[in-house]
Amino acid sequence: GEDVEQSLFLSVREGDSSVINCTYTDSSSTYLYWYKQEPGAGLQLLTYIFSNMDMKQDQRLTVLLNKKDKHLSLRIADTQTGDSAIYFCAEPLRDMRFGAGTRLTVKP
Amino acid sequence: DTAVSQTPKYLVTQMGNDKSIKCEQNLGHDTMYWYKQDSKKFLKIMFSYNNKELIINETVPNRFSPKSPDKAHLNLHINSLELGDSAVYFCASSLQRLAGVPTGELFFGEGSRLTVL
Repeated sequence: GEDVEQSLFLSVREGDSSVINCTYTDSSSTYLYWYKQEPGAGLQLLTYIFSNMDMKQDQRLTVLLNKKDKHLSLRIADTQTGDSAIYFCAEPLRDMRFGAGTRLTVKP
Repeated sequence: DTAVSQTPKYLVTQMGNDKSIKCEQNLGHDTMYWYKQDSKKFLKIMFSYNNKELIINETVPNRFSPKSPDKAHLNLHINSLELGDSAVYFCASSLQRLAGVPTGELFFGEGSRLTVL
């Protein structure tokens, strides 16, 4: 497909794990990115993964990459209310191409 | 020091008016972008400049005209504003492009919310 695809909404309870999924478009993308957008702010890079890796762990964040299926996921362990935001996956094509964003809501 | 700064943050104007949004980055990056984020939060590339040269110009009405006086600035001028232009416009920059794709992180401004009445 031409678009980077993500589900639009995810709701979890505080302390649970969150998993946000993404399907990207170009199997030759060398890096894949996750950005976070808090209300009223611009996007900020959260984490990224090289295409030669299957997994990357960074504190509470785990990124999994399945190149065969062009599938990327972001797991947030012990989700906190401060994690409520919109999460975008992105791949560098002619421009940095963003998914539609997944709005994560964390309930106390 | 703000890395990517946009002004104004909010802009409310009438249909048919002309308005500009300014963007400056102090990161020494070569590449700058304008993205449009609609009410559903979809982010769509509009323009990209690399060292003051236009390299991406998506299917944007020609009422939108970007200008890059130097590589630290990328301004967006919009003529004859329409209701559908209401959105949040984000400026961003990245270090460089290699083999035609952006490399590294994009740094975003805080956004400029445009409301056309």
